[in-house]
Order: sequence, then C-alpha cells, then structure tokens
Amino acid sequence: DSGVTQTPKHLITATGQRVTLRCSPRSGDLSVYWYQQSLDQGLQFLIQYYNGEERAKGNILERFSAQQFPDLHSELNLSSLELGDSALYFCASSVAITGTGELFFGEGSRLTVL
Amino acid sequence: AQTVTQSQPEMSVQEAETVTLSCTYDTSESNYYLFWYKQPPSRQMILVIRQEAYKQQNATENRFSVNFQKAAKSFSLKISDSQLGDTAMYFCAFIPLPPIIQGAQKLVFGQGTRLTINP
Repeated sequence: DSGVTQTPKHLITATGQRVTLRCSPRSGDLSVYWYQQSLDQGLQFLIQYYNGEERAKGNILERFSAQQFPDLHSELNLSSLELGDSALYFCASSVAITGTGELFFGEGSRLTVL
Repeated sequence: AQTVTQSQPEMSVQEAETVTLSCTYDTSESNYYLFWYKQPPSRQMILVIRQEAYKQQNATENRFSVNFQKAAKSFSLKISDSQLGDTAMYFCAFIPLPPIIQGAQKLVFGQGTRLTINP
C-alpha cells in the first residue's frame, strides 16, 4: 500500500460527458502528480501541483483541468470526453523538496469512454 | 527536453534465468535520479530500484541490480534468479535534481518493457 488513494477505481461513461477523478496523497506529501497511461503505453505526465499551486504542466488537453485543495487532495476533471480519453489515470505524490525523488503511486482510475 | 528510451518492447525468459532490461536517457542535467518501476497485472506502480547520478556505485536490491553508465547515459536493470512474480511491465524513469523551481519535478518515463517469466 503506497498510501496514495484514488477514487473511483473504475469508471465507464459516454462520449461528451464529464468526470472527476480524485486523489488523496500520502500523509505529509505536498506534491501531487497526474499521469495518463493509454493501452500498453508508457505514462504521460499531465500536471503537477505543489502545496496548492500548479508547478508543472505536460501535454494536458484543454478539456482537462486539475486542482489541489487546501487539504492537499487533488481532483482531475475531464470534460467533453472522447473515445481516445479511455485510459488509466494515475495520481502520485512526493515530498518534492527533501525527498529522494521517488513518486508514490495510487492504484489508478480506469476510465472507459463508450 | 529529457527523454527516456526503452528499446525492448517485450522480453521473455525461463524461471531462474537472469534477464537484463535496457534503458537509455537523454538529459543535459548533471544531477538526477533514475528509477525502475514495475507494473504487474494488478496495475500498481511499484518502485523496484533507485540510482542517484552522483553515486558511482551501482544500486542493488536483493535480486535486482543496475548497471549505471553515466557517460553513456545508460541505466539497465538486471534481474537474477527470475521468478514468476517478476512478470510485469517495467518502466525506466528519470527525474532531475534539484528542482529548477521549488516543488517542480517531473518524472519522465520510458515506454516500458513487458517481461514474461515462463515456468
């Protein structure tokens, strides 16, 4: 158990819909990262938050947005969903400043868009 | 831009054999960490081993060891006495240190190698 909690574990929805994925980082971790893993692909970095502020952005679509709340949990919002958005979405956390660079991953949220 | 390349999409060995997974990376940074993560069918990302670039000694964790060649920007993973439970996707990953902007770090992953251990 990494200590990172993601909900929901599975989500099936239709094209055009909007979903929210939630992540609770490990206790004490200030950084939250979101990654997308499409079928048999590597992990693509989407966005990082540190202590409530956006710190780094990857190839995140404009239809996607995220935020980190004062209690440090984070949400990834995916809107106007397309078939190609079907993927495994991982959240990870780290201390970020004094840590060893290691990211601790949640179990992922499997999104299926029909 | 930093990139990580894993040139072996799939590998397959017999149980108890030794297998080496390759990884190369490209960066202009001098200080960084390298990682191997394992993703079994359960899909959880599990850290296998970590190497600090400023350390010349190769990291070892039980049956897992790395061959870190900084000049060649190579970071291979050796699994000795392979076990059925080692069957998984293995991802090589890189992160620069220290963060350019406080709190800004991005772990860059390779495309992965699917390793199958056969009985």
